[in-house]
Amino acid sequence: KAGVTQTPRYLIKTRGQQVTLSCSPISGHRSVSWYQQTPGQGLQFLFEYFSETQRNKGNFPGRFSGRQFSNSRSEMNVSTLELGDSALYLCASSSGGGGSYEQYFGPGTRLTVT
Amino acid sequence: GENVEQHPSTLSVQEGDSAVIKCTYSDSASNYFPWYKQELGKRPQLIIDIRSNVGEKKDQRIAVTLNKTAKHFSLHITETQPEDSAVYFCAARDSGGYNKLIFGAGTRLAVHP
Repeated sequence: KAGVTQTPRYLIKTRGQQVTLSCSPISGHRSVSWYQQTPGQGLQFLFEYFSETQRNKGNFPGRFSGRQFSNSRSEMNVSTLELGDSALYLCASSSGGGGSYEQYFGPGTRLTVT
Repeated sequence: GENVEQHPSTLSVQEGDSAVIKCTYSDSASNYFPWYKQELGKRPQLIIDIRSNVGEKKDQRIAVTLNKTAKHFSLHITETQPEDSAVYFCAARDSGGYNKLIFGAGTRLAVHP
């Protein structure tokens, strides 16, 4: 099976702009989780989508949002970008059910806010 | 909420030695504990995991042990090789949140030839 893919791989944005990142999970997986990775805060959970519904959310401001489509692909959006949003954004794919908890990460999108 | 602490933050060993990384968690209801390896510039890779109904799990040179009473779990790498050099993250599944993983801060392992 093909692995988790994310696009774009790199982004440079200016403060105040918004950005949309995309994640395609492993075929057959219905759960997509998003994480932010920074040197200072490590890996932090943003939110999880399963069958087009957000079923959990981390402690991030409302500027961070997401959605999931019927084919399980997911997008996350960050509005009104701040310098502190510069990070590696990782999505993780999981089957999402049946007691299966394994999550497999995509290569990430490196976002730089200037 | 769940909190995961990981030690040490850096670990340097000679090739062939063993390496041990330890993590503690706060939520006694957590039931799933994965370990990820992240090489420089690459994605975190799931290398081994353990569930709360199991005390130990092995896969070739790596093993994970879980002590539910003490709420800690450890990664053991035997016969280390230079390609084991990476950052290792432990995580615990938040008991209240489906696939929400809480990560430790990471351990940078350097294996010297």
